[in-house]
Amino acid sequence: DIQMTQSPSSLSASVGDRVTITCRASQDISNHLAWFQQKPGKAPRSLIYDASSLQSGVPSKFSGSGSGTDFTLTINSLQPEDFATYYCQHYDTNSPSFGGGTKVEIK
Amino acid sequence: EVQLVESGGGLEQPGGSLRLSCAASGFTFSSYGMSWVRQAPGEGLEWVSTITASGRTTYYADSVRGRFTISRDKSKNTLYLQMNTLRAEDTAVYYCAKERWGDGYNFDYWGQGTLVTVSS
Repeated sequence: DIQMTQSPSSLSASVGDRVTITCRASQDISNHLAWFQQKPGKAPRSLIYDASSLQSGVPSKFSGSGSGTDFTLTINSLQPEDFATYYCQHYDTNSPSFGGGTKVEIK
Repeated sequence: EVQLVESGGGLEQPGGSLRLSCAASGFTFSSYGMSWVRQAPGEGLEWVSTITASGRTTYYADSVRGRFTISRDKSKNTLYLQMNTLRAEDTAVYYCAKERWGDGYNFDYWGQGTLVTVSS
C-alpha cells in the first residue's frame, strides 16, 4: 500500500502569512492527489484535485503543485477562516489513503 | 445542490451490527461511485469502502474486509454500509463521499457524518 506523509504535522502562522504544506507518497502516484480542509466537527471539504486543479468555489489563494511523489499545498494571505486541519489523499490505486494531517493554528 | 445525509450511527456493543445509510440528492446517483471514509476520535481520515456506479464492484480496506458490506439502491438514491462483528477500533465518525467523475476515489462532496461508538 502507498503511504502518504505530510509535514509538518502542525504549524503556527499569523493572519496574512503564506503557508506551505508538503505531502510525500511512498511511490509514484502521477498527479492523483487531492487536498482537503477540515474544521472541528465538520466534514472534509475538497480544495484541490489532480494535484493542482482548484475545486469549484474555492478561493484562488489555495494552490497545489507537484507530481510523482512530492506535492505541495500553498495558502496565500492566511485568513482566520483558514485555520483548520489539511489532509492530502492519493487516489492512484484501489487502496486510497490519506496523509496524517497538518493542523494550521493561529500564532 | 449535491447533498449527502448519513444516518444509522449510534452505540453498539462489541460483536454487534449496525447499518449506516447515506441519502443522496442533487446529482444522478447511479452515475457515480460512492465511498465510506471514517475518522476515529482525534485521528485522521481512513478510507473504508467503495462501490462503483453500477454497484457491480466493491472494494474494502483490509481493516474491515469480511465484516463490512457496502451496497447501494438506485431506486432510493441511497448508499449503505452494513457493519458486522463490530470492534472497539471501529469507533469513528463515518462519512459518505461522492466520486468526482464516475468511478474511483477522487472525492468532491462529503456528507456531514454519523458517529458510531462500539463499547460495552
